[in-house]
Amino acid sequence: GQQLNQSPQSMFIQEGEDVSMNCTSSSIFNTWLWYKQDPGEGPVLLIALYKAGELTSNGRLTAQFGITRKDSFLNISASIPSDVGIYFCAGPKRYYGGSQGNLIFGKGTKLSVKP
Amino acid sequence: DTGVSQDPRHKITKRGQNVTFRCDPISEHNRLYWYRQTLGQGPEFLTYFQNEAQLEKSRLLSDRFSAERPKGSFSTLEIQRTEQGDSAMYLCASSWVRAGTRPWKVGYTFGSGTRLTVV
Repeated sequence: GQQLNQSPQSMFIQEGEDVSMNCTSSSIFNTWLWYKQDPGEGPVLLIALYKAGELTSNGRLTAQFGITRKDSFLNISASIPSDVGIYFCAGPKRYYGGSQGNLIFGKGTKLSVKP
Repeated sequence: DTGVSQDPRHKITKRGQNVTFRCDPISEHNRLYWYRQTLGQGPEFLTYFQNEAQLEKSRLLSDRFSAERPKGSFSTLEIQRTEQGDSAMYLCASSWVRAGTRPWKVGYTFGSGTRLTVV
């Protein structure tokens, strides 16, 4: 089945640093979504990508939909303490004919503040 | 529009008891999904509805789990004879689909989840 592999699993950030994480799959996805989840809350959508090669920004966040449709990355520039949390990539399961179903998630990248 | 609402936020129950969770989706969304999330994992799909029809169930949805969406509005997820392994965050999401584009554009909004602890 379709699976998403996220890396790194965790990383420590210092305020002001840039952060990069990525997501890969052996299957093609037609949509890539990036979510952030804070403890005890549901995931919140950060960026949605719908077209191969698409580069989209949302404030300090930038994400790209890989040209092969099998990968995506998320960059956070000039990190701040509230960027701490778990970031998930996700893509909809594809059905024959182009319809899309439930979301498949990666295992997440956990961002923590450097001690 | 207040987003996707889930109730309760937290539930502690004794092993063997039945529990029921409720999800109120965004009113314009016709699809509703249930996911389960355990510590250190991403959300895992359980089942989804399009309007009132339950279109897909994952293998994770054992026969102790049942979901309904009467009248295509809110949904309930019931777990019978709870086990300690059922302890998890149960997330509900609703989605819109824009079928005129290629590929179809979809947007998914999640609720805050119900944290279930089985003791």
